[in-house]
Amino acid sequence: GENVEQHPSTLSVQEGDSAVIKCTYSDSASNYFPWYKQELGKRPQLIIDIRSNVGEKKDQRIAVTLNKTAKHFSLHITETQPEDSAVYFCAATSLGGSYIPTFGRGTSLIVHP
Amino acid sequence: EADIYQTPRYLVIGTGKKITLECSQTMGHDKMYWYQQDPGMELHLIHYSYGVNSTEKGDLSSESTVSRIRTEHFPLTLESARPSHTSQYLCASSLAGGRGDTQYFGPGTRLTVL
Repeated sequence: GENVEQHPSTLSVQEGDSAVIKCTYSDSASNYFPWYKQELGKRPQLIIDIRSNVGEKKDQRIAVTLNKTAKHFSLHITETQPEDSAVYFCAATSLGGSYIPTFGRGTSLIVHP
Repeated sequence: EADIYQTPRYLVIGTGKKITLECSQTMGHDKMYWYQQDPGMELHLIHYSYGVNSTEKGDLSSESTVSRIRTEHFPLTLESARPSHTSQYLCASSLAGGRGDTQYFGPGTRLTVL
């Protein structure tokens, strides 16, 4: 089955800095990579995703990059703000009826004002 | 409004009790999932379902069972609750097939077993 490794487990940055969270996956059949943000006491919510036919996707201050050859994908947050503080989860799956997403263990991002 | 709902939101019970955590979604999603999560920690998949009459066990064996008699409803039952079951339980749903597999999570049930 799929195995997803996520690093770092904790990331502390100053407001305005950039933050990068990295994930690796093992199953070459995986072709869909979502990122979820979970604020304290809230449910995880999708913030950005990427499919394997795309190398990079951006949405305002967040971007995701994918390297299929190396089997890794990363979340980039620029100009971080205190409201970016949360736990971020990456996941890998294959778009198809029988696949179940495999999640990374999560990264706790702390943005200091 | 299309959403995913969980009840109860908070539950405190004694050891040995049987409990059922409810999950319903109004989005018409085929797939549904149950996760166990300690606050801010990793998501452990307990059970999932591809559709009506489909149930599968996840990675975490938590002595629980699920049923999927209706598309919108996916209850989780603990036959005999133990203190080790104290955690938050998150239900989620997603579309099946190539239309995308984004998961939508419910607000969670925070369970405390005394």
